[in-house]
Amino acid sequence: DQQVKQNSPSLSVQEGRISILNCDYTNSMFDYFLWYKKYPAEGPTFLISISSIKDKNEDGRFTVFLNKSAKHLSLHIVPSQPGDSAVYFCAASALNSGYALNFGKGTSLLVTP
Amino acid sequence: SAVISQKPSRDICQRGTSLTIQCQVDSQVTMMFWYRQQPGQSLTLIATANQGSEATYESGFVIDKFPISRPNLTFSTLTVSNMSPEDSSIYLCSVPGRGRETQYFGPGTRLLVL
Repeated sequence: DQQVKQNSPSLSVQEGRISILNCDYTNSMFDYFLWYKKYPAEGPTFLISISSIKDKNEDGRFTVFLNKSAKHLSLHIVPSQPGDSAVYFCAASALNSGYALNFGKGTSLLVTP
Repeated sequence: SAVISQKPSRDICQRGTSLTIQCQVDSQVTMMFWYRQQPGQSLTLIATANQGSEATYESGFVIDKFPISRPNLTFSTLTVSNMSPEDSSIYLCSVPGRGRETQYFGPGTRLLVL
């Protein structure tokens, strides 16, 4: 039972434009949401997170938006750079599950010059 | 952020054998986590390893198959026992950062079981 879903397996964006990666979840007990970037043959790299008490968190080129009523979050990358090409994972945790992260299957982002 | 290393980085093993994966962190941490990523799938938590106590396993994972050691606050091992081709996965360890806001992962161990 996949509680975190990334319905777009891949996304292609031109350099300089905005990349929007989407994530949906089903468990209303999730209260922290994290985004990771993963290059081939490397472990996931933490990018940004958001608490359920916020609806937006920004760090440089990365902004995460949370819509709790829709159980939806998105990661915006502006401007996109070729080095952003990687697989992006959305993950969530619930207070009653401690630090256990539930991951989506990932979205492969390709930023073309 | 924490710096995490894993050994081996990859291995090819024969079915029925066992492999022990090591995870080393550059700082002392109370909790360490072991995840698995099967081909084409998302990461799945196997167990939480606390220093000084037995590991806590998630549903679907058992100690006999994935024994874990946690001898100190910077090190843990995961053994994949009596391997079958279905155990072919990337195995990753992780540690929490600032509370539940962040969690850092090691580079992973790529296991292929023939």
